[in-house]
Amino acid sequence: AQTVTQSQPEMSVQEAETVTLSCTYDTSESDYYLFWYKQPPSRQMILVIRQEAYKQQNATENRFSVNFQKAAKSFSLKISDSQLGDAAMYFCAYRGASKLTFGTGTRLQVTL
Amino acid sequence: ETGVTQTPRHLVMGMTNKKSLKCEQHLGHNAMYWYKQSAKKPLELMFVYNFKEQTENNSVPSRFSPECPNSSHLFLHLHTLQPEDSALYLCASSQVDRDTKKLFFGSGTQLSVL
Repeated sequence: AQTVTQSQPEMSVQEAETVTLSCTYDTSESDYYLFWYKQPPSRQMILVIRQEAYKQQNATENRFSVNFQKAAKSFSLKISDSQLGDAAMYFCAYRGASKLTFGTGTRLQVTL
Repeated sequence: ETGVTQTPRHLVMGMTNKKSLKCEQHLGHNAMYWYKQSAKKPLELMFVYNFKEQTENNSVPSRFSPECPNSSHLFLHLHTLQPEDSALYLCASSQVDRDTKKLFFGSGTQLSVL
């Protein structure tokens, strides 16, 4: 079974600075997708960024980018120029042939 | 407009009550999902419906009963729940024949079982 591990329960970053959230996963599949979801206090899970495993190029969405290391099974999220609105729970997720598997989440605080 | 609407937002119920959670998606999707989110645990997939047919039930106790009358609506009927069932219940939808990898979530129902 696939597992997703987020080893940082909480992280803090100053406004305008850069922060990296870690995620590792375990799988025997070769074709899969990886995701980062954001859950603000409104509770709605919002897709932040997605990476297809067959693509070597790291995905980027505005201030959000990933560092995808397939051999190491690592998928970290970098948030540049952090804003107060980035404060939320961030979940890493894996989707292969079966269901979407989530990590336990990292709570990100953004300070002034 | 979030695309996926869940009601009620909060629910408090006793162990002998019967209640229902409702989810409606306005995205034209053909798959809907129920997830359970407990503190400090990964999201747990409960049920999946594709084209109104239940395709997955992840060993969920029978006190949770899903219903999908059409591709836009999904219900979760609750009866004789236990305190450990207290959690955030999230509904999601996706388009199976286009991009099954991307889920759209609602804002959840925060359930407290007393």
